[in-house]
Amino acid sequence: SQTIHQWPATLVQPVGSPLSLECTVEGTSNPNLYWYRQAAGRGLQLLFYSVGIGQISSEVPQNLSASRPQDRQFILSSKKLLLSDSGFYLCAWSVGDTGGEKLFFGSGTQLSVL
Amino acid sequence: QQQVKQSPQSLIVQKGGISIINCAYENTAFDYFPWYQQFPGKGPALLIAIRPDVSEKKEGRFTISFNKSAKQFSLHIMDSQPGDSATYFCAARAGPGKLIFGQGTTLQVKP
Repeated sequence: SQTIHQWPATLVQPVGSPLSLECTVEGTSNPNLYWYRQAAGRGLQLLFYSVGIGQISSEVPQNLSASRPQDRQFILSSKKLLLSDSGFYLCAWSVGDTGGEKLFFGSGTQLSVL
Repeated sequence: QQQVKQSPQSLIVQKGGISIINCAYENTAFDYFPWYQQFPGKGPALLIAIRPDVSEKKEGRFTISFNKSAKQFSLHIMDSQPGDSATYFCAARAGPGKLIFGQGTTLQVKP
């Protein structure tokens, strides 16, 4: 069966520090991968999605970047965190060319930037 | 317009009652409308979904009603239980790989 691993579960970082969140998927090949951010009262905002290694689409201009170095690995990064980067970050995957029809989410990372 | 508006923001229902959450959209190109359920500290999980050529879909106690002409859809939870207490998100697919989510509704079912 397919599983998605996302870590760390919680993270407290000072403003201006770098960020690296990692997500891996097991039990499937060539998944579509996504990073979402969930801010209080604002629902889920799509940040990046990837249909293959090295293929990243950005939905929202921001202080963040994403990379996909391996088929089932998706990394969210920042060189310098801002206060506004605080939130709950979710990695997700789907399969098939329908893309996003059925998303499977990880358990999330609660990021607090202080 | 790439928005899905969800209401209410929060909802309190007695056990056994009916919970109703509504969503509205503008873009007629949206072609798939899922609902996700999220428990505290967890990622959302797909609950039920509908396509715009269907007016209603029922799975157990959960029903989606879809009104294409009004560009609205809603989630009905029959016989609501305390275990249904969670945050619910509606969404609409804007294209491959792109789901637009509503703002979420926090449901509390009182015993």
